[in-house]
Amino acid sequence: GAGVSQSPRYKVAKRGQDVALRCDPISGHVSLFWYQQALGQGPEFLTYFQNEAQLDKSGLPSDRFFAERPEGSVSTLKIQRTQQEDSAVYLCASSLPGTSGDNEQFFGPGTRLTVL
Amino acid sequence: ILNVEQSPQSLHVQEGDSTNFTCSFPSSNFYALHWYRWETAKSPEALFVMTLNGDEKKKGRISATLNTKEGYSYLYIKGSQPEDSATYLCAFIESEYGNKLVFGAGTILRVKS
Repeated sequence: GAGVSQSPRYKVAKRGQDVALRCDPISGHVSLFWYQQALGQGPEFLTYFQNEAQLDKSGLPSDRFFAERPEGSVSTLKIQRTQQEDSAVYLCASSLPGTSGDNEQFFGPGTRLTVL
Repeated sequence: ILNVEQSPQSLHVQEGDSTNFTCSFPSSNFYALHWYRWETAKSPEALFVMTLNGDEKKKGRISATLNTKEGYSYLYIKGSQPEDSATYLCAFIESEYGNKLVFGAGTILRVKS
């Protein structure tokens, strides 16, 4: 079956440009996560949705970052006025409902964002 | 601040060698530990989800152990093959109601044929 897909796979933006990154989770997965992986580091949590509700956005690094999942399926991560430090791989993951801690999270291939 | 550490940072082995990596995590408020394999240009793939102290899991030539009291997990690969070349990530979940994975920086494995 289809896994988690993300688009675009690669994005080059000029500093100050707005970008939108898309995530299509596995059908039926209630939970959706965004992570940011900077070069040489492990992925870091950004935000979490359960259906359309954004339950945790504690990892968003600034108010330039905004995520939404209006119909409880596709999610978009938007970054306004991009800065060079936003350059990273942005990973999306989805999982089934239930006790989330031991649920496997299924990851997409990521979007590599380069801000010039 | 939760700190998950992995060692070594990178590893180069010959085909057929066996190898192991370490993941260290806080021993208090432990709920689950996840291991992922991430090949270049692909999606991270879950290897194991471990929750019980003393747990041992195996998938083919790869196995993992868990010690929650001392806060570490080992990942073993027996008879490494070139296709095992990837970044191996461990991630910690603090509590039953926690959702976010706290990742280590990963171990990069390169297997030479």
